[in-house]
Amino acid sequence: AQSVTQLGSHVSVSEGALVLLRCNYSSSVPPYLFWYVQYPNQGLQLLLKYTSAATLVKGINGFEAEFKKSETSFHLTKPSAHMSDAAEYFCAVSVGYGGSQGNLIFGKGTKLSVKP
Amino acid sequence: EAQVTQNPRYLITVTGKKLTVTCSQNMNHEYMSWYRQDPGLGLRQIYYSMNVEVTDKGDVPEGYKVSRKEKRNFPLILESPSPNQTSLYFCASTRGQGSTEAFFGQGTRLTVV
Repeated sequence: AQSVTQLGSHVSVSEGALVLLRCNYSSSVPPYLFWYVQYPNQGLQLLLKYTSAATLVKGINGFEAEFKKSETSFHLTKPSAHMSDAAEYFCAVSVGYGGSQGNLIFGKGTKLSVKP
Repeated sequence: EAQVTQNPRYLITVTGKKLTVTCSQNMNHEYMSWYRQDPGLGLRQIYYSMNVEVTDKGDVPEGYKVSRKEKRNFPLILESPSPNQTSLYFCASTRGQGSTEAFFGQGTRLTVV
């Protein structure tokens, strides 16, 4: 079975500072990994995804994430935070085959606050 | 425009009164899911469907029913809602391959009093 752990339910950074949101996964087969963002009172929007091509994945709004198999991690980063980045971020895992193919499992989310 | 449409967006109901939340997608996706979102718990899967007439339980199926009679529709049924089902609900669809991302509806905020 697959699972995702997001470290830190709340992260606060200053505008212009580095954003680092942590995600560790567990999967018995090669995983596909995703980061989604949820702005207040909205649905979920895909930020980026890892599908076994490049280990460093670039997404929208300047975010990127690196897949590290040895650490079972897929941390999300952005070099310089903007006020508009304040939102909740979810890491998710799925697999490409087997009984749970396509089944998306989410972490508990990390709420990012950006201080002026 | 590719989209997942949920209705209603907001619903207040009383304990025990059956309700249905509809979900429809126009992308011909095989895979559809229902999630509930609660503070501090993230998104937990209620039910999913891999294709027409194929459904399976997620992590929190108790108190919910689903059906998949057509590929585009995946309604969520609460036969006898209770206050602990007060939550924000999301429907999602994917092409059914693990590498493709999910498309989400805008959510349904349900309050059971």
